[in-house]
Order: sequence, then structure tokens, then C-alpha cells
Amino acid sequence: QGQLVQSGAEIKKPGASVKVSCKASGYNFKNYGISWVRQGPGQGLEWMGWINVYDGSINYVQTFQDRVTMTADTSTGTAYMGSGTAYMELRTLRSDDTAVYYCARFEVGATNPHFDFWGQGTQVIVSS
Amino acid sequence: YEVTQPLSVSVAQGQTANITCEGDNIGFKNVHWYQQKPGQAPVLVIYKDKNRPSGIPERFSGSNSGNTATLTINRAQAGDEADYYCQVWGGGVVFGGGTKVTVL
Repeated sequence: QGQLVQSGAEIKKPGASVKVSCKASGYNFKNYGISWVRQGPGQGLEWMGWINVYDGSINYVQTFQDRVTMTADTSTGTAYMGSGTAYMELRTLRSDDTAVYYCARFEVGATNPHFDFWGQGTQVIVSS
Repeated sequence: YEVTQPLSVSVAQGQTANITCEGDNIGFKNVHWYQQKPGQAPVLVIYKDKNRPSGIPERFSGSNSGNTATLTINRAQAGDEADYYCQVWGGGVVFGGGTKVTVL
């Protein structure tokens, strides 16, 4: 099937940056996209944007446009079952960025793709 | 684009739960549904209105028409207690606010 494994929990001070990783395995990483979704304490799901690993295009939610960078490293794995790692960096952190951050895989090409499996989540706490 | 879900739905064990996702002409959009249990990542249970991923029980089904998409859980079990989120496209990915399903 496939798997996404995220990096561990982070505690950051306001104004700092955080970079969360999402290591993919078990499928051809280059043929799909990775989306990032966050969930504040007791809150619902909030889409942050995505990276189409296939063609490198990126779509950020305007709310995060100035503070987020999503990237993908496709340098590992074979041509037919390439693993890889996606990253999401969020800068100038505020207390309301405290949330669990998820990566999720989607099939590129669809207007409204579904996220067929997700990473386990990374807790980010922003506190002075 | 906005979609609205009820905050909570209660269902007796063995009965049917219907979770709605309302939006303007949502019937013209593809709707996906996720189940999220406490402390866990979301899991896709229905995609493109009515399709079940492999491993999802047949008790889960979906429909979409007019201004309402519906996730139906037949023969509800205690293990179905979770938050359920709908997802559509509205100039970007849009999630509903989530519905907490309680099995009595």
C-alpha cells in the first residue's frame, strides 16, 4: 500500500521556524502529491496546501502564503519504487500555530483529489 | 465555498447513522469523507461521493445530490465512534467542521 512517517514533536518559541518531514515508502513517490493539513487543539482539519511531486508545482492556501514552504526530495529510491521525503516549513510561528500537522498523499491530476492515506501527525507547540 | 456539518450525531448500536454535509449545489462536486478517532490520523472512508477504499466495511456508504452529501453508517458499532469530516473543492480544499458520532 504505502506509508508516510513524520518527524517527531517540536516545541518552538514565538517567531521561530519549524520544519516537519514526511518520509514516504511503499509506492512511487514521484507519481503522487503530498498535502499538508493541520488540526488545532479540539479543532477541525485545516488545509495548508500541497506539492505535486510529479511536476513540482505547489499550491499554498493564501493564509499561509507568506510563511510556509513545501518541498519534496526525490533523490532516494529506485526509478520504479522511488521513496522520498516531503517537508513543510512554517516560519514566524505564533501561539495559534500550535497544532498537529499531517501530511497526506493524493493522486495528481484530479481537481478535487482525495487523500488516501496520512502520516501519523506531528505535534508542534508554540510557547514562550 | 463553505460546507456545514452537524456538530454531533447519536445512533443506537446496530442502527443507521446519517451524517450530512451541506453546501450550495454540492451535488455537482465530488465529496470525500474521513473518519478520525481520538489521537489518530484521519482515514479515508468514502471518496468521490460513494466509493469505498479497500478495507472499509460495506456498512459505510455515501450519496450526494442537490445541496446535501450524506455519509451513512449502517449497523453502527461501538468502533464507529469518531469524528467524521467531509471534503470538497471550493477554490481549494475545503473541509467541513466535523461531526462527532456517538454510538449509544
